[in-house]
Amino acid sequence: DTEVTQTPKHLVMGMTNKKSLKCEQHMGHRAMYWYKQKAKKPPELMFVYSYEKLSINESVPSRFSPECPNSSLLNLHLHALQPEDSALYLCASSQDGGWGRPQHFGDGTRLSIL
Amino acid sequence: KNQVEQSPQSLIILEGKNCTLQCNYTVSPFSNLRWYKQDTGRGPVSLTIMTFSENTKSNGRYTATLDADTKQSSLHITASQLSDSASYICVVSLNYGGSQGNLIFGKGTKLSVKP
Repeated sequence: DTEVTQTPKHLVMGMTNKKSLKCEQHMGHRAMYWYKQKAKKPPELMFVYSYEKLSINESVPSRFSPECPNSSLLNLHLHALQPEDSALYLCASSQDGGWGRPQHFGDGTRLSIL
Repeated sequence: KNQVEQSPQSLIILEGKNCTLQCNYTVSPFSNLRWYKQDTGRGPVSLTIMTFSENTKSNGRYTATLDADTKQSSLHITASQLSDSASYICVVSLNYGGSQGNLIFGKGTKLSVKP
């Protein structure tokens, strides 16, 4: 089992819905990440939180809103998504934001937009 | 342009056989190179991470090599098992003084191990 837990595992929503993806880790890691992965493509970085502060936002549309309530939790709030946003959303964590640290990934939330 | 190229795109081998996956990169400034295994429907799992001074690193039946001069890496899988069927992703980290956002992902090699 992965040490990074993501819920829900699957989510189907309409374009007008509001939903949230959740990510939790209890490894004491202080850096957390959101990635988007389309089928047969590598993960694309969306956001990086380091010590609960947003440090990187890769020009993600505002319909995706990240939140880091504490060092163990990372949320991704979704609103007015488009069909092209359907993808696997991966959360990852690392000990800190240092470049040498390995990232531990969750199993993702498979999101489908109707 | 910073790029990571992997080959082959896909590979089918028989159980028990060995195989080697390739990764070429044009990334600067280089920090480290990682190999991840991603099972279908799961998140990537780290296999190895190597800095420029490391030539080889093993993790069980997985052995990664790195030639920082030619900017090439390989992942060798010995005595393959059915559970090795997955996508293998090569990721190179840029050295920009600390940000983990500077990861360049390859497109992966999809390995299928047949009985």
